[in-house]
This record gives sequence, C-alpha cells and structure tokens, in this order.
Amino acid sequence: EVQLVESGGSLVKPGGSLRLSCTASGFTFSNYYINWVRLAPGRGLEWVSSISNIGSYIYYADSVKGRFTISRDNAKNSLYLQMSSLRAEDTAVYYCARLQVGTTNKHFDLWGQGTLVTVSS
Amino acid sequence: DIQLTQSPSSLSASVGDRVTITCRASQYISKYLNWYQHKPGKAPNLLIYGASSLQSAVPSRFSGSGFGTDFTLTISTLQPEDFATYYCQHSYSNPPWTFGQGTNVEIK
Repeated sequence: EVQLVESGGSLVKPGGSLRLSCTASGFTFSNYYINWVRLAPGRGLEWVSSISNIGSYIYYADSVKGRFTISRDNAKNSLYLQMSSLRAEDTAVYYCARLQVGTTNKHFDLWGQGTLVTVSS
Repeated sequence: DIQLTQSPSSLSASVGDRVTITCRASQYISKYLNWYQHKPGKAPNLLIYGASSLQSAVPSRFSGSGFGTDFTLTISTLQPEDFATYYCQHSYSNPPWTFGQGTNVEIK
C-alpha cells in the first residue's frame, strides 16, 4: 500500500526538543520531494519545510527557520523533522506530504495521518 | 512571499446547493494553484491541482478554474460528505508554498 506514516509526536515543555519521523512505503521514496505541513488548533494548514529527493535542496517557513531541521534517509524510506526551542505556537498536528511534479503543476498528492505535538508546561 | 486570500472564511449550505469558494494570490502564480479538502482527524485530501485538473478518484462535482491571481473551486451539487474545510495552496516557483486561511463549509 502506498502510504506515509508519521510518528514521534508527544507533549513537550517550552524550550524543549522533539524529533518527528515519517516512514514511506509502496513507492520509490528517493524519487520525491517530501514536505512537512502542520495544522495548529484554530488555525489553518501551514507549510513548514521541504526537502528534495536526495536532500540537496531544503526550505523552511520563516516561523521555524533556525529552530527546525529537516532530513531524510532514503535507505530507510524515512523523513525526519528535528524540532528545537519549541514554543506554544508550535503545538499542532504535523503531516508529511509527498510532492508530485507535473509539467505545469506541483501538488501534495499523498499525505500521512499526522502526529500531534503539544508544547506546554 | 506569496499570500493567498480565500473567501468566504465560512459558509452554510444545504445538500444539493452549488458552492463556490474563491482564492486570490498576491502575485502572479500561473496555474500553480491546488485545492485540498480536510476533515477533522483525517489527512488532507487533494481535490484539484494545476488550477483545474481533477485528482484521480475525486468526484466530478468538484471543479476548479482560474489563472494568474484569481481562482475558484466549485462544488456543483453539495453532498453530505462534502461538509469540511477547504484550502487553496500555491506551488509557484520555490517554497514557501503557502495555503489560504481555509473555508469551512457547514450544514445549513
């Protein structure tokens, strides 16, 4: 089955760190850019970070730049998000999403079910 | 960064209604505009990509149009399973690939 499965979400104190994982199956993981997107309570979807198929290109939202680090291990079909200096406003469900690229379009065609990160004392 | 403004932010509609949601980009994005449906506790679901292409397995009552800065998602005949939040997203050039603020479609 073609799927993405996130893990690693938990309750963490402000200023703390956490590492999220996203494991892929059913497709050639190393062919795709993969992204992190989050949904905070009472807010909309927010794109967080993106990494190219072999990790050469990495992008971050301004809201997480300098605090979050995206990485991947293609041998393990896995994506990671190392989160540090966490703030209450980072509380959200974090999704990983696969980027599908066409000739005149790019879109997130496959999403995981999400993992909940709660930042609270 | 490119900003997307969706309207309305919420709407109430009845089964069988025609529903239209608009998304305006702060600058030219060609056809790099996608639409997603999101229900609580589930993964977001791609509906429309490239402004007007229907994603596989998505019902034909969903359609998209637009180019440049102004885009529209239309649900021709609203079904009970369509009550959800809808987001536009641009994928023009390099990230950040921002989302609109969402439109919550509620039962009237």
